[in-house]
Amino acid sequence: SQQGEEDPQALSIQEGENATMNCSYKTSINNLQWYRQNSGRGLVHLILIRSNEREKHSGRLRVTLDTSKKSSSLLITASRAADTASYFCALPNTGGFKTIFGAGTRLFVKA
Amino acid sequence: DTEVTQTPKHLVMGMTNKKSLKCEQHMGHRAMYWYKQKAKKPPELMFVYSYEKLSINESVPSRFSPECPNSSLLNLHLHALQPEDSALYLCASSQGPLGLAVDRDAHGTQYFGPGTRLLVL
Repeated sequence: SQQGEEDPQALSIQEGENATMNCSYKTSINNLQWYRQNSGRGLVHLILIRSNEREKHSGRLRVTLDTSKKSSSLLITASRAADTASYFCALPNTGGFKTIFGAGTRLFVKA
Repeated sequence: DTEVTQTPKHLVMGMTNKKSLKCEQHMGHRAMYWYKQKAKKPPELMFVYSYEKLSINESVPSRFSPECPNSSLLNLHLHALQPEDSALYLCASSQGPLGLAVDRDAHGTQYFGPGTRLLVL
């Protein structure tokens, strides 16, 4: 069954540094999404990347997708304290009828 | 308006109580979702409503009862809950149900509410 595995589980960096988090999955997908969740709040959609795309940008976010390796990465450049949150990759399940969330990476950006 | 609202924000209930969680969206979305999230875990899907009909029930215990009165509203009725049901309950909506061949990408993007923090004593 489809499953997203993320690493690292937790990441602590200084403000201004870049943060990279990775997501690997098992079965082929049409798209992959990244969401952010601030502590105890709802999730916010960040980026959707299609299976025929290799890279996508949105402001300070860069997402890559390597379908041959079944993996994606989210890069946050010039991080800010406000980027402190949990980041989840999200994949359609086999059959595509629901979304499966990865375990998440907890990012802490120190001011 | 790209907002999904949820009420209440916090709820404390005893195991014999009956309560309801409410979710509302005015984006014209035709799919709505309930998720349960425990601390430091990803959201886990509970129910999916597609065009106001229940399309997915992830083997959720019957003490959770979803209801979709109309295309903008989603309720989750709670009865005889257990302490282990304490969690953050998230509602989400998307333009359309997943699995449709038409515009899978738009349908896949979900908009989440802020959640209801539930504590069962």
